[in-house]
Amino acid sequence: DSGVTQTPKHLITATGQRVTLRCSPRSGDLSVYWYQQSLDQGLQFLIQYYNGEERAKGNILERFSAQQFPDLHSELNLSSLELGDSALYFCASSARGDTGELFFGEGSRLTVL
Amino acid sequence: AQTVTQSQPEMSVQEAETVTLSCTYDTSESDYYLFWYKQPPSRQMILVIRQEAYKQQNATENRFSVNFQKAAKSFSLKISDSQLGDAAMYFCAYRTFLDGGSNYKLTFGKGTLLTVNP
Repeated sequence: DSGVTQTPKHLITATGQRVTLRCSPRSGDLSVYWYQQSLDQGLQFLIQYYNGEERAKGNILERFSAQQFPDLHSELNLSSLELGDSALYFCASSARGDTGELFFGEGSRLTVL
Repeated sequence: AQTVTQSQPEMSVQEAETVTLSCTYDTSESDYYLFWYKQPPSRQMILVIRQEAYKQQNATENRFSVNFQKAAKSFSLKISDSQLGDAAMYFCAYRTFLDGGSNYKLTFGKGTLLTVNP
């Protein structure tokens, strides 16, 4: 158990809909990362938050947004969903210090029909 | 931009044998971290081993070891005495600093699917 909690584990929805994925980082970790894992693109970095502030953006679509709340949990909002958004979405958190390791949650499997 | 390449989409090994997974990366940095993560069918990403670039000694964790060749920008993972539970997707990753500061992310290779045959 990494200590990172993601909900829901599975989600099935239709095109055009909007979903919210939730992540609670490990206790004490201030950084939260979101990654998308699809078969053809591998693991793609989407966005990072540190202590409530957006720190970096990767390959995140404009239809997607995220935020980190004062209690450090984070939400990834996906809107106007398309078939191609079907993927495994991972949240990860990192510890203070300089080890570079990310601790991953179990992921949220999104299926868009 | 830093890139990570895993040239072996799939590998197989007999139980109790040794297998080596390859990874190369491209960077202009001199100090960095490299990782191997394992993703079993449960899909949880699990850290297998970590290597700091400034350390010349190759990292070892029980049956897992790396062959880190800094000049060649190569970072292979050796699994000794392979077990059925080692079957998983293995990802090589490089720590990339963001915005020139202490903020960073991990850049992953495409992965190598390892099958362990009984």
